[in-house]
Amino acid sequence: DAKTTQPPSMDCAEGRAANLPCNHSTISGNEYVYWYRQIHSQGPQYIIHGLKNNETNEMASLIITEDRKSSTLILPHATLRDTAVYYCIVRGSNDYKLSFGAGTTVTVRA
Amino acid sequence: ETGVTQSPTHLIKTRGQQVTLRCSSQSGHNTVSWYQQALGQGPQFIFQYYREEENGRGNFPPRFSGLQFPNYSSELNVNALELDDSALYLCASSSVTANTEAFFGQGTRLTVV
Repeated sequence: DAKTTQPPSMDCAEGRAANLPCNHSTISGNEYVYWYRQIHSQGPQYIIHGLKNNETNEMASLIITEDRKSSTLILPHATLRDTAVYYCIVRGSNDYKLSFGAGTTVTVRA
Repeated sequence: ETGVTQSPTHLIKTRGQQVTLRCSSQSGHNTVSWYQQALGQGPQFIFQYYREEENGRGNFPPRFSGLQFPNYSSELNVNALELDDSALYLCASSSVTANTEAFFGQGTRLTVV
């Protein structure tokens, strides 16, 4: 019951910015956009989340369109350690669960 | 590291057996959720515990059950194991406020033979 659409895979050159798109056209007003990533055989790692404003932290930036129907996660300077599956998740303020889709497999190449 | 620890890291069980997986929450967190991740798929929500009671459940049969203890640690129990139960089982802890992030443990890899 994932509410998001992501490309299945993408490549990125080491040191360049990685821009990961996510469509969430049915998002409602009280739903947040979350991003997690999962490096092989590890638990998912929280990256960032936002409601309507753009957000930035030490890991990434989250750009949410004005109509909130899509967003982009930006890894400013990708490294080989950023190779992982990235999940975009829409979650309501009263939701108790994270609904993971298939995510985007990001491969950073030297 | 997130401060969420799971044990054991790997486990092999025989079909029909029962298994108990354990999770220690991050300090300050009072909510624990469990997820099942089959190979090549995203994690699927099993259930969540808050104040020692189940307060949300995904599409899993009753043979999947859990406990949360006063120190907020948790157990996942699976009875009558089936081959399809082979998966990575993930525990996530968070605070009761839903719009905060959840922190995951490294998971327990269960193989049912």
